[in-house]
Amino acid sequence: DAGITQSPRHKVTETGTPVTLRCHQTENHRYMYWYRQDPGHGLRLIHYSYGVKDTDKGEVSDGYSVSRSKTEDFLLTLESATSSQTSVYFCAISDKRDGTEAFFGQGTRLTVV
Amino acid sequence: QQQVKQSPQSLIVQKGGISIINCAYENTAFDYFPWYQQFPGKGPALLIAIRPDVSEKKEGRFTISFNKSAKQFSLHIMDSQPGDSATYFCAASLYETDSWGKFQFGAGTQVVVTP
Repeated sequence: DAGITQSPRHKVTETGTPVTLRCHQTENHRYMYWYRQDPGHGLRLIHYSYGVKDTDKGEVSDGYSVSRSKTEDFLLTLESATSSQTSVYFCAISDKRDGTEAFFGQGTRLTVV
Repeated sequence: QQQVKQSPQSLIVQKGGISIINCAYENTAFDYFPWYQQFPGKGPALLIAIRPDVSEKKEGRFTISFNKSAKQFSLHIMDSQPGDSATYFCAASLYETDSWGKFQFGAGTQVVVTP
């Protein structure tokens, strides 16, 4: 999958706990993205990064924060998980600013109980 | 409010048949329309994409037809094979501006190709 590793692949957590998902890439791509996938909604952009320490909000950013201290790692944090954040989370990377031709990771299935 | 509406939700087609998935969009400023293919347990993968300056693009058995006036585009899978069984997503974005991956995705179509 184009050198993208997401971890963990599956996680069950309790409401109110913090959760961090990791995306690691070996392609040295500048642009990285976090999406969530929910039935009936396709994919929706949570946050994106256009360089080390450069991040911005996407369409559904409430309740999420991100950090990128190295080119290869993009972390997604749920500060206080809620049941509405139960979803499949995908990381994507691209060497194009417009996000086209992005490669997606295999996803992390997160369940908040 | 979904800016890209995709239909049908699911589709069953026999091997060798044609699969057709339709998408309609609202924002006339959209100028990049990709289709993604996703297998179970995998991330979406770019299949084919089109810009509004052409009405059709073909890559192998996959064809995008684009109707700018109707604000619709569709994916045709010719000679469908069991290996094409997957979920397909259409999307739309602003290509020339800083879209930053802010695609508007359709809800997806699950395609099952029977032997």
